[in-house]
Amino acid sequence: QVNLVQSGAELRKPGASVKISCKTSGFAFSNFYMHWVRQAPGQGPEWIGIINPNGGSPSFAQRFQDRVTMTRDTSTATVYMEMSSLRSDDTAVYYCARDRLAGIPAENFHHWGQGTLVTVSS
Amino acid sequence: DIQMTQSPSSLSASVGDRVTITCQASLDIGNSLIWYQQKPGKAPKLLIYDASTLEAGVPSHFSGSGSGTKFTFTISSLQAEDIATYYCQQYDSVPPTFGGGTKVEIK
Repeated sequence: QVNLVQSGAELRKPGASVKISCKTSGFAFSNFYMHWVRQAPGQGPEWIGIINPNGGSPSFAQRFQDRVTMTRDTSTATVYMEMSSLRSDDTAVYYCARDRLAGIPAENFHHWGQGTLVTVSS
Repeated sequence: DIQMTQSPSSLSASVGDRVTITCQASLDIGNSLIWYQQKPGKAPKLLIYDASTLEAGVPSHFSGSGSGTKFTFTISSLQAEDIATYYCQQYDSVPPTFGGGTKVEIK
């Protein structure tokens, strides 16, 4: 059974950084691309970026290029997303999601974490 | 980026009604379209991919159709448990983009 468990809610001040974890289980970690998607209150989801658990450089939506990093730890089957220079409009629920197809980045978000609320407020 | 326009943004229907949601892409995306269902406080759930392929375990009263720039999602007989917000998402090109959502309520 595929399971993605994310770290807990975070409160940050504008200009700060936040790092969210997503621990995976129930599937071969190295076989599936992982994504980060966020959803602001009352809005549709928004793709942030993708990481290949086998290594290589992650890829991001252009608007996040300068302030997002994604890493993975194969020993614990965990992926991480760190966002810096936070603004109030970064307040959202952040999700990790596993791709549907093994071995290729299909951008089909098949399994999702439970979400992590990040609140940016002074 | 490809823009995805969903309509309507909300609808109210009775149990047993047929419900139709449309999604229009700003460019031809072939059949690279997914439909998700999202219930309050939960992550989206993938229902349909490749525009019309039902994900395993998804009830058969959900269906999808279309290709190119125009797509349709249908609930053939609305059930109480179908109350949710539905999103389309294109994956023809990066970045993948979502529609604005359609909130389905019971009349």
